[in-house]
Amino acid sequence: DQQVKQNSPSLSVQEGRISILNCDYTNSMFDYFLWYKKYPAEGPTFLISISSIKDKNEDGRFTVFLNKSAKHLSLHIVPSQPGDSAVYFCAASGTSYDKVIFGPGTSLSVIP
Amino acid sequence: DGGITQSPKYLFRKEGQNVTLSCEQNLNHDAMYWYRQDPGQGLRLIYYSQIVNDFQKGDIAEGYSVSREKKESFPLTVTSAQKNPTAFYLCASSSQAVQETQYFGPGTRLLVL
Repeated sequence: DQQVKQNSPSLSVQEGRISILNCDYTNSMFDYFLWYKKYPAEGPTFLISISSIKDKNEDGRFTVFLNKSAKHLSLHIVPSQPGDSAVYFCAASGTSYDKVIFGPGTSLSVIP
Repeated sequence: DGGITQSPKYLFRKEGQNVTLSCEQNLNHDAMYWYRQDPGQGLRLIYYSQIVNDFQKGDIAEGYSVSREKKESFPLTVTSAQKNPTAFYLCASSSQAVQETQYFGPGTRLLVL
């Protein structure tokens, strides 16, 4: 049973518009969430994270929102750029865990 | 330059053969991880190690083995018991201070002949 879900396998967005990638989790023990970006044939790279004591974290064009009651987080990219085209993995961890659980990923295509 | 290296980039395995994937890091990280990526399945944890000479099974450890004799190195052996080894294998490491933020290597693609 997947503890971290990304229900949209793919997403297409026009350059300059907002990209919104969604992630849902089932385990209420998770208290730290991360987004990773992955290009084909490369390893993922860390993008942004958020602790459960916050509901928003922003880093340049990237903002992560956390809704603990809904067990939902989202990554907003604005404005989207063609170089943002990649697979985005949502991940979660908790203080009682010693590992990170990754979602299946969402493939984002930003169309010029 | 600090980072994680994996070799080889591509690896071919014959039926019944064991193969070993290399992972080296010079980030002085205590924790290291091996993941397998299959299409549509994200990253699945094979093994992880939080300290030298100690490692734990992840979610899909069957058919794999690891060793952690040095802090910098965490090789993964895909044994003949792994019946479906074709996948993209990713190694990662993290510091004890921020274990959740993992740094990944470039990956090794394993193909079965």
